[in-house]
Amino acid sequence: DAKTTQPTSMDCAEGRAANLPCNHSTISGNEYVYWYRQIHSQGPQYIIHGLKNNETNEMASLIITEDRKSSTLILPHATLRDTAVYYCIVRDYNTDKLIFGTGTRLQVFP
Amino acid sequence: DSGVTQTPKHLITATGQRVTLRCSPRSGDLSVYWYQQSLDQGLQFLIHYYNGEERAKGNILERFSAQQFPDLHSELNLSSLELGDSALYFCASSVAPGLGDTQYFGPGTRLTVL
Repeated sequence: DAKTTQPTSMDCAEGRAANLPCNHSTISGNEYVYWYRQIHSQGPQYIIHGLKNNETNEMASLIITEDRKSSTLILPHATLRDTAVYYCIVRDYNTDKLIFGTGTRLQVFP
Repeated sequence: DSGVTQTPKHLITATGQRVTLRCSPRSGDLSVYWYQQSLDQGLQFLIHYYNGEERAKGNILERFSAQQFPDLHSELNLSSLELGDSALYFCASSVAPGLGDTQYFGPGTRLTVL
């Protein structure tokens, strides 16, 4: 079972920041949080991951709370091409597998 | 483009048949993972190979098998196919197992069983 819970859907205006929340209250101390997105039926696209500290790359920022029980993915300037299903994943410690939940369907509108 | 390639893109076959899906990992990656995405189950982990050896199994049916070859490409074999096996099959690759290691996904193979 997925270790994360996310809202089913969110909307965001083009050009605005999209903030996608994720709860992972049972995360273990050495488990990473990963974010992927899937556009239509394409292969999931890696966005970002983190352990404890906030992370930023060219696509997004990841903010992890101090107790590590939740995180937020931030797309700073959403575009129409960011419309996708976003998955927050806690990578399984024992098997390295990614356990996907149902994700958040982000709709960016003009 | 993730650098992971999968063939074929689409596969249509009949119940009871056997098919082979192929995955070529990114250059330098030693790990290959297989995932299945069906409408009612979402993305499910099937199996993981590292440098030719099986590392972990997930919800993989006994009718399914996989292997990773010396050149590191991997094949997923599906036999005695049923209608419920219709799904997208993705492979992902990474450098090596590890908590901070990133899996990159291929474009997938869409299997339709009629």
